[in-house]
Amino acid sequence: DTAVSQTPKYLVTQMGNDKSIKCEQNLGHDTMYWYKQDSKKFLKIMFSYNNKELIINETVPNRFSPKSPDKAHLNLHINSLELGDSAVYFCASSLSSGSYEQYFGPGTRLTVT
Amino acid sequence: AQRVTQPEKLLSVFKGAPVELKCNYSYSGSPELFWYVQYSRQRLQLLLRHISRESIKGFTADLNKGETSFHLKKPFAQEEDSAMYYCALSGHTGRRALTFGSGTRLQVQP
Repeated sequence: DTAVSQTPKYLVTQMGNDKSIKCEQNLGHDTMYWYKQDSKKFLKIMFSYNNKELIINETVPNRFSPKSPDKAHLNLHINSLELGDSAVYFCASSLSSGSYEQYFGPGTRLTVT
Repeated sequence: AQRVTQPEKLLSVFKGAPVELKCNYSYSGSPELFWYVQYSRQRLQLLLRHISRESIKGFTADLNKGETSFHLKKPFAQEEDSAMYYCALSGHTGRRALTFGSGTRLQVQP
């Protein structure tokens, strides 16, 4: 009964490839997020969706394309992977009103070689 | 623009010593402040938030609007407190995403 789950946990791939990371939450939340944690452990917001609608799109290369098929899912597709994309990607979810506590997934460690 | 600053990358203390992890923020409005913790090989989890004014695992944090600070404190550190601690801010202008500080690694030595 994991609250926020991500697949895969680890992803090793070569430069130039295209890959996807999936996220699912069973908390009934209406807002989902993607964060990137770099090698220095710094966490930064990338995207946020509310009820399948994109509401935050930070300065992220357009090789990154999020997709939210429904409120419970938020996927991240990355085209033409580069070495600098290596990081841990965290999915999170929350309600858009009331408590803004965000629940995080376990993270996906992406290594681009 | 909102910003969170955690000046210490690493804080090393002995078991039983007091702990204070510093956090300063800048935000033009009334933010909501949080402390998140990441234990080794575990996911990020909420430790506490300023609006609930509670103590979790012996940790407390008080929002000081005059100094724009939200320092995390614990009077007696335990070895199991060793983890990465992130201070985070959420604005109230429709942007619910968290702005994180760079994190402080707390090492509690026996």
